[in-house]
Amino acid sequence: DQQVKQNSPSLSVQEGRISILNCDYTNSMFDYFLWYKKYPAEGPTFLISISSIKDKNEDGRFTVFLNKSAKHLSLHIVPSQPGDSAVYFCAASEGANFGNEKLTFGTGTRLTIIP
Amino acid sequence: NAGVMQNPRHLVRRRGQEARLRCSPMKGHSHVYWYRQLPEEGLKFMVYLQKENIIDESGMPKERFSAEFPKEGPSILRIQQVVRGDSAAYFCASSLRTGDGYTFGSGTRLTVV
Repeated sequence: DQQVKQNSPSLSVQEGRISILNCDYTNSMFDYFLWYKKYPAEGPTFLISISSIKDKNEDGRFTVFLNKSAKHLSLHIVPSQPGDSAVYFCAASEGANFGNEKLTFGTGTRLTIIP
Repeated sequence: NAGVMQNPRHLVRRRGQEARLRCSPMKGHSHVYWYRQLPEEGLKFMVYLQKENIIDESGMPKERFSAEFPKEGPSILRIQQVVRGDSAAYFCASSLRTGDGYTFGSGTRLTVV
């Protein structure tokens, strides 16, 4: 039972353009969402998060949008840079006070930025 | 300030042997989490520990797997009598209840031959 789904295994984007990564979830109890970036042979690195009380959170080139009614979130990266090439994981938690709750991860989207 | 340290980075075991994976959390972090990533899959939660206590082990297989986080020393994930299906990347993470997400280690890649 895949509660967090990333339906695009891969995405290629031209350098300088916008990258949009999508994530859907099925568990209505999820109320905190995170995006992680992972390079080969390394652990995931936290990028950005959003609480269910918000619909948008922005940090530099990264913006996460949350549509609770559609159970959908997306990560926008603009402008895309070659260093953004990595696997991106969407994750969700049932804990509003995140810091001590387990995460449910999607299967990841491999983003390739074309120079 | 060193990050989350996992060792070994790579571990090869024959079927039936024991695998011991170590994780030292970031300084000051008392919450440790273990996740497993099978090939072509996302990370799956295994266990959440605080010092000397298992808080949530709902993702741990019922047999052969155990975890501990003693008062002194690293957290240990132990897999007894390994089988080929245990081959995966095992990630440890720690947190300080900041709400900014975990800090993950670089993982231990276990190969069972």
